[in-house]
Amino acid sequence: GAVVSQHPSWVICKSGTSVKIECRSLDFQATTMFWYRQFPKQSLMLMATSNEGSKATYEQGVEKDKFLINHASLTLSTLTVTSAHPEDSSFYICSATGTSGSPDTQYFGPGTRLTVL
Amino acid sequence: AQSVAQPEDQVNVAEGNPLTVKCTYSVSGNPYLFWYVQYPNRGLQFLLKYITGDNLVKGSYGFEAEFNKSQTSFHLKKPSALVSDSALYFCAVRDSPNSGYALNFGKGTSLLVTP
Repeated sequence: GAVVSQHPSWVICKSGTSVKIECRSLDFQATTMFWYRQFPKQSLMLMATSNEGSKATYEQGVEKDKFLINHASLTLSTLTVTSAHPEDSSFYICSATGTSGSPDTQYFGPGTRLTVL
Repeated sequence: AQSVAQPEDQVNVAEGNPLTVKCTYSVSGNPYLFWYVQYPNRGLQFLLKYITGDNLVKGSYGFEAEFNKSQTSFHLKKPSALVSDSALYFCAVRDSPNSGYALNFGKGTSLLVTP
C-alpha cells in the first residue's frame, strides 16, 4: 500500500515550452501533496505544499506563476513548469500523505527528470 | 526552525561489516525524525521513523536507528552491509507529528558498500 506514481519519468523539452508533471496516489487518498526539487548530488528542496481543493503554499523563492500546482482531487496533483528554461532542468519529486500507510509518513513518487534544451 | 545535519558526504564500508550513517538534529521541541534511501534516478523510499517511544527504531531492509536525546543524534545503522545497500541516504525532520507538514532534509550521505 501507499504507492505514489509520477508521470512522465523523464521529459525533454525546448526552451519556452510548458511541461506538466503528474503525481498520483494509487491506493490511498492524498490529502496533502508536496513537490520537491533535487539538483544533482544535492538534497531535496521543498517547492510547495498542496492540499486537495486549496491553493498551494509555495516556499520562499519559488515563483508560483512559473510552477503551477493543481491538486484537484484526492489522488492527483500536477506541477506545470511554464515557459521552461535550461535552469529549470532538474529532478522533480512529489510526495503524499493521507489515508493509507502510516498516517505520519510521507510517501514519495519515483521522480521526473526534466531537461530543458 | 527544525534541521538535521549529515556530517559525512560519503561512507565506505566492506560488505559484511557494520555500517553507520550519521545524523544530528536541531529542534525547538520534540523531534520527529525520518530516514529515507534513494537509488540512482529514483524517488525516496521510507526506511524508518522516530515519533515517540523506544529509542531504538527498526525499519526496512534490516536497518535500524537509535534516537539519542542527549547527543541530539539519530544515526542509521545496519549490522551487516550488503552491496545492494549502496545508495544515497537522507535524514529528515519534521516540525510536527502531523503528516501535513513538510520534511526538512539533510544534504544526504552516499553509502558505498564494496564486495
